[in-house]
Amino acid sequence: GAVVSQHPSWVICKSGTSVKIECRSLDFQATTMFWYRQFPKQSLMLMATSNEGSKATYEQGVEKDKFLINHASLTLSTLTVTSAHPEDSSFYICSARAGSKQETQYFGPGTRLLVL
Amino acid sequence: AQSVTQLGSHVSVSEGALVLLRCNYSSSVPPYLFWYVQYPNQGLQLLLKYTTGATLVKGINGFEAEFKKSETSFHLTKPSAHMSDAAEYFCAVSRGGGNKLTFGTGTQLKVEL
Repeated sequence: GAVVSQHPSWVICKSGTSVKIECRSLDFQATTMFWYRQFPKQSLMLMATSNEGSKATYEQGVEKDKFLINHASLTLSTLTVTSAHPEDSSFYICSARAGSKQETQYFGPGTRLLVL
Repeated sequence: AQSVTQLGSHVSVSEGALVLLRCNYSSSVPPYLFWYVQYPNQGLQLLLKYTTGATLVKGINGFEAEFKKSETSFHLTKPSAHMSDAAEYFCAVSRGGGNKLTFGTGTQLKVEL
């Protein structure tokens, strides 16, 4: 149980285009989903927290107009990187939690984004 | 505020030897503590967690960790390393259920023959 998927696993795009990444909880309802980015050889940095049906809460320094997060259902959250630039190239990982008071986050396999 | 320090960004052990990965935390409230493992180009998999109760926590793949409040530590151990244990390990802390995780910088474990 507690499986989280991400799609796509790899994406290469041209500078200036937008990219959408999906995060799905496959066998449980996720009231809260998190989006992280991870640069090579570094730890995970939380970008934003998204609760189903409400606006995402962004961490300090993360541009909410650049990284659009939608959590329209209990099993799906999307991250859209708008007008992507090479510095946005990174590994994006989502996680999901089954309840607002649950302590365990279940992580997706990640999405590798390369912006040319 | 909370933070996590993982001593040693790289640890190398021989197959069959003891694995010890160190994690120290700081937290203004009783912490919830986690160890995750990440294989190349994959997401994170939960190894074990401490929330309340017994301070020695057993996880998957033969790993265990002990919460020591007096030392603010949550070191990860495994009695006998296996080649398949080679991966990146992350320690994380939260302030309790419903709160976000703060990760350490990770420790790359290498297992040699």
